[in-house]
Amino acid sequence: QVQLVQSGAEVKKPGASVKVSCKASGYTFTTYGISWVRQAPGQGLEWMGWISAYNGYTNYAQKLQDRVTMTTDTSTSKAYMELRSLRSDETAVYYCARENCSGGSCYIDYWGQGTLVTVSS
Amino acid sequence: NFMLTQPHSVSESPGKTVTISCTRSSGSIASNYVQWYQQRPGSSPTTVIYEDNQRPSGVPDRFSGSIDSSSNSASLTISGLKTEDEADYYCQSYDSNNPWVFGGGTKLTVL
Repeated sequence: QVQLVQSGAEVKKPGASVKVSCKASGYTFTTYGISWVRQAPGQGLEWMGWISAYNGYTNYAQKLQDRVTMTTDTSTSKAYMELRSLRSDETAVYYCARENCSGGSCYIDYWGQGTLVTVSS
Repeated sequence: NFMLTQPHSVSESPGKTVTISCTRSSGSIASNYVQWYQQRPGSSPTTVIYEDNQRPSGVPDRFSGSIDSSSNSASLTISGLKTEDEADYYCQSYDSNNPWVFGGGTKLTVL
Protein backbone atom coordinates (compact mmCIF):
# COMPACT_ATOMS: atom_id res chain seq x y z
CA GLN A 1 0.00 0.00 0.00
CA VAL A 2 1.07 3.56 -0.62
CA GLN A 3 2.76 5.19 2.36
CA LEU A 4 4.47 8.50 2.92
CA VAL A 5 6.48 8.50 6.15
CA GLN A 6 7.90 11.79 7.33
CA SER A 7 10.77 12.61 9.63
CA GLY A 8 10.22 13.51 13.26
CA ALA A 9 9.36 16.73 15.01
CA GLU A 10 11.85 19.60 15.01
CA VAL A 11 12.44 22.59 17.23
CA LYS A 12 14.28 25.50 15.63
CA LYS A 13 15.22 29.03 16.58
CA PRO A 14 14.11 31.99 14.49
CA GLY A 15 16.45 32.47 11.56
CA ALA A 16 17.46 28.81 11.43
CA SER A 17 16.71 26.27 8.69
CA VAL A 18 14.79 23.01 8.79
CA LYS A 19 14.85 20.07 6.41
CA VAL A 20 11.95 17.62 6.49
CA SER A 21 12.08 14.27 4.74
CA CYS A 22 9.31 12.15 3.27
CA LYS A 23 9.94 8.51 2.38
CA ALA A 24 7.60 7.02 -0.18
CA SER A 25 6.78 3.35 -0.52
CA GLY A 26 4.23 1.14 -2.23
CA TYR A 27 4.52 2.72 -5.68
CA THR A 28 7.02 3.75 -8.33
CA PHE A 29 8.41 6.95 -6.86
CA THR A 30 9.25 8.67 -10.13
CA THR A 31 5.72 8.30 -11.49
CA TYR A 32 4.21 10.93 -9.20
CA GLY A 33 4.99 14.41 -7.93
CA ILE A 34 5.18 15.43 -4.30
CA SER A 35 3.52 18.52 -2.88
CA TRP A 36 4.26 20.11 0.47
CA VAL A 37 1.44 21.65 2.49
CA ARG A 38 1.64 23.24 5.92
CA GLN A 39 -0.88 23.94 8.64
CA ALA A 40 -0.31 26.38 11.48
CA PRO A 41 -1.95 25.51 14.81
CA GLY A 42 -5.72 25.88 14.52
CA GLN A 43 -5.43 27.20 10.98
CA GLY A 44 -6.14 25.97 7.47
CA LEU A 45 -4.00 24.33 4.82
CA GLU A 46 -1.37 26.27 2.87
CA TRP A 47 0.30 24.95 -0.25
CA MET A 48 4.06 25.46 -0.25
CA GLY A 49 5.16 23.95 -3.53
CA TRP A 50 5.59 20.88 -5.66
CA ILE A 51 8.38 18.79 -7.10
CA SER A 52 8.35 16.28 -9.90
CA ALA A 53 9.98 13.06 -8.74
CA TYR A 54 10.58 12.24 -12.40
CA ASN A 55 12.80 15.16 -13.37
CA GLY A 56 13.15 17.37 -10.27
CA TYR A 57 11.16 20.26 -11.74
CA THR A 58 9.82 22.48 -8.97
CA ASN A 59 7.05 25.04 -8.58
CA TYR A 60 7.06 27.04 -5.35
CA ALA A 61 4.45 29.29 -3.76
CA GLN A 62 5.44 32.84 -4.59
CA LYS A 63 5.66 33.94 -0.96
CA LEU A 64 8.21 31.20 -0.17
CA GLN A 65 10.27 30.89 -3.33
CA ASP A 66 13.27 32.76 -1.92
CA ARG A 67 13.49 30.54 1.18
CA VAL A 68 12.31 27.06 0.23
CA THR A 69 14.05 24.26 -1.65
CA MET A 70 12.43 20.95 -2.53
CA THR A 71 14.49 17.99 -3.70
CA THR A 72 14.17 14.28 -4.26
CA ASP A 73 16.50 11.29 -4.02
CA THR A 74 15.23 8.63 -6.38
CA SER A 75 17.70 6.05 -5.03
CA THR A 76 15.95 6.12 -1.66
CA SER A 77 12.47 7.25 -2.78
CA LYS A 78 12.69 10.26 -0.52
CA ALA A 79 11.54 13.82 -0.95
CA TYR A 80 12.92 16.71 1.05
CA MET A 81 11.69 20.18 1.90
CA GLU A 82 14.12 22.73 3.30
CA LEU A 83 12.87 26.06 4.64
CA ARG A 84 15.41 28.73 5.58
CA SER A 85 15.25 31.86 7.73
CA LEU A 86 12.43 30.45 9.83
CA ARG A 87 10.07 32.83 11.61
CA SER A 88 8.07 32.12 14.75
CA ASP A 89 4.80 32.35 12.83
CA GLU A 90 5.97 29.41 10.72
CA THR A 91 5.39 27.00 13.56
CA ALA A 92 3.21 24.44 11.84
CA VAL A 93 2.67 20.85 10.84
CA TYR A 94 4.34 20.26 7.49
CA TYR A 95 2.82 17.57 5.25
CA CYS A 96 4.14 15.88 2.16
CA ALA A 97 1.52 14.58 -0.21
CA ARG A 98 1.50 12.58 -3.42
CA GLU A 99 0.06 14.26 -6.48
CA ASN A 100 -1.90 12.13 -8.88
CA CYS A 101 -2.04 13.75 -12.31
CA SER A 102 -3.91 12.69 -15.42
CA GLY A 103 -5.30 14.52 -18.41
CA GLY A 104 -3.73 17.78 -17.32
CA SER A 105 -5.33 17.91 -13.87
CA CYS A 106 -3.82 16.89 -10.55
CA TYR A 107 -5.04 16.14 -7.07
CA ILE A 108 -3.55 14.85 -3.85
CA ASP A 109 -4.36 11.21 -3.21
CA TYR A 110 -2.06 10.33 -0.30
CA TRP A 111 -0.74 12.38 2.60
CA GLY A 112 2.12 11.88 5.00
CA GLN A 113 1.55 11.83 8.73
CA GLY A 114 2.91 15.36 9.14
CA THR A 115 5.97 16.81 10.83
CA LEU A 116 5.59 19.41 13.57
CA VAL A 117 8.14 22.19 13.23
CA THR A 118 8.25 24.53 16.20
CA VAL A 119 10.04 27.84 15.76
CA SER A 120 10.81 29.42 19.08
CA SER A 121 13.62 31.30 20.75
CA ASN B 1 -5.18 35.49 -7.24
CA PHE B 2 -8.51 33.96 -6.47
CA MET B 3 -9.91 32.83 -3.15
CA LEU B 4 -12.16 29.98 -2.13
CA THR B 5 -14.65 30.89 0.58
CA GLN B 6 -16.26 28.29 2.81
CA PRO B 7 -18.62 28.65 5.77
CA HIS B 8 -16.72 28.52 9.03
CA SER B 9 -18.92 25.81 10.47
CA VAL B 10 -22.00 23.70 9.83
CA SER B 11 -23.86 21.28 12.03
CA GLU B 12 -26.46 18.60 11.48
CA SER B 13 -27.91 15.55 13.15
CA PRO B 14 -26.93 11.94 12.48
CA GLY B 15 -28.76 10.44 9.53
CA LYS B 16 -29.42 13.82 7.93
CA THR B 17 -27.84 15.43 4.87
CA VAL B 18 -25.46 18.39 4.95
CA THR B 19 -24.00 20.49 2.15
CA ILE B 20 -20.80 22.52 2.43
CA SER B 21 -20.25 25.27 -0.11
CA CYS B 22 -17.04 26.63 -1.61
CA THR B 23 -17.32 29.87 -3.58
CA ARG B 24 -14.65 31.01 -6.01
CA SER B 25 -13.95 34.75 -5.90
CA SER B 26 -12.80 35.22 -9.49
CA GLY B 27 -12.54 33.07 -12.55
CA SER B 28 -15.00 30.34 -13.37
CA ILE B 29 -15.49 27.48 -10.92
CA ALA B 30 -16.00 25.25 -13.94
CA SER B 31 -12.61 26.08 -15.45
CA ASN B 32 -10.55 24.03 -13.01
CA TYR B 33 -11.38 20.95 -11.02
CA VAL B 34 -12.28 21.16 -7.34
CA GLN B 35 -11.11 18.71 -4.72
CA TRP B 36 -12.37 18.15 -1.18
CA TYR B 37 -10.30 16.94 1.76
CA GLN B 38 -11.47 15.66 5.13
CA GLN B 39 -9.36 16.20 8.23
CA ARG B 40 -10.38 14.55 11.45
CA PRO B 41 -8.98 16.02 14.68
CA GLY B 42 -5.34 15.16 15.14
CA SER B 43 -5.04 13.43 11.75
CA SER B 44 -3.69 14.14 8.32
CA PRO B 45 -6.14 15.19 5.63
CA THR B 46 -7.63 12.56 3.32
CA THR B 47 -9.19 13.03 -0.07
CA VAL B 48 -12.94 12.50 -0.29
CA ILE B 49 -13.68 14.09 -3.69
CA TYR B 50 -11.43 14.86 -6.67
CA GLU B 51 -12.13 16.35 -10.09
CA ASP B 52 -15.38 17.95 -8.89
CA ASN B 53 -17.33 14.76 -8.26
CA GLN B 54 -15.10 11.70 -8.28
CA ARG B 55 -14.69 9.54 -5.18
CA PRO B 56 -11.42 7.76 -4.43
CA SER B 57 -11.77 4.09 -3.76
CA GLY B 58 -12.82 3.48 -0.19
CA VAL B 59 -14.81 6.70 0.17
CA PRO B 60 -18.49 5.83 0.71
CA ASP B 61 -21.06 7.00 -1.80
CA ARG B 62 -22.63 9.11 0.96
CA PHE B 63 -20.08 11.70 -0.15
CA SER B 64 -20.77 13.55 -3.38
CA GLY B 65 -19.43 16.66 -5.07
CA SER B 66 -20.89 19.10 -7.56
CA ILE B 67 -20.31 22.52 -9.08
CA ASP B 68 -22.79 25.30 -9.85
CA SER B 69 -21.69 27.84 -12.42
CA SER B 70 -24.55 30.19 -11.60
CA SER B 71 -23.21 30.75 -8.08
CA ASN B 72 -19.61 30.06 -9.07
CA SER B 73 -19.37 27.55 -6.29
CA ALA B 74 -18.66 23.92 -5.57
CA SER B 75 -20.47 21.83 -3.00
CA LEU B 76 -19.72 18.77 -0.92
CA THR B 77 -22.81 16.87 0.15
CA ILE B 78 -22.75 14.20 2.83
CA SER B 79 -25.89 12.13 3.25
CA GLY B 80 -26.79 9.72 6.03
CA LEU B 81 -24.51 11.60 8.41
CA LYS B 82 -22.51 9.57 10.89
CA THR B 83 -20.65 10.77 13.95
CA GLU B 84 -17.41 9.69 12.25
CA ASP B 85 -18.01 12.36 9.58
CA GLU B 86 -17.32 15.04 12.17
CA ALA B 87 -14.21 16.75 10.82
CA ASP B 88 -12.84 19.80 9.04
CA TYR B 89 -13.44 19.88 5.29
CA TYR B 90 -11.33 21.84 2.84
CA CYS B 91 -12.01 22.58 -0.81
CA GLN B 92 -9.11 23.16 -3.18
CA SER B 93 -8.71 24.30 -6.77
CA TYR B 94 -6.15 25.98 -8.99
CA ASP B 95 -5.51 28.01 -12.12
CA SER B 96 -2.55 28.72 -14.35
CA ASN B 97 -1.17 31.33 -11.95
CA ASN B 98 -2.04 29.63 -8.68
CA PRO B 99 -1.16 25.94 -8.61
CA TRP B 100 -3.03 25.13 -5.42
CA VAL B 101 -5.54 27.28 -3.53
CA PHE B 102 -7.31 25.95 -0.45
CA GLY B 103 -10.51 27.19 1.08
CA GLY B 104 -10.39 28.22 4.71
CA GLY B 105 -12.06 25.04 5.89
CA THR B 106 -15.44 24.17 7.35
CA LYS B 107 -15.89 22.49 10.70
CA LEU B 108 -18.67 19.91 10.50
CA THR B 109 -20.32 19.01 13.78
CA VAL B 110 -22.59 15.99 13.87
CA LEU B 111 -24.74 16.35 16.95
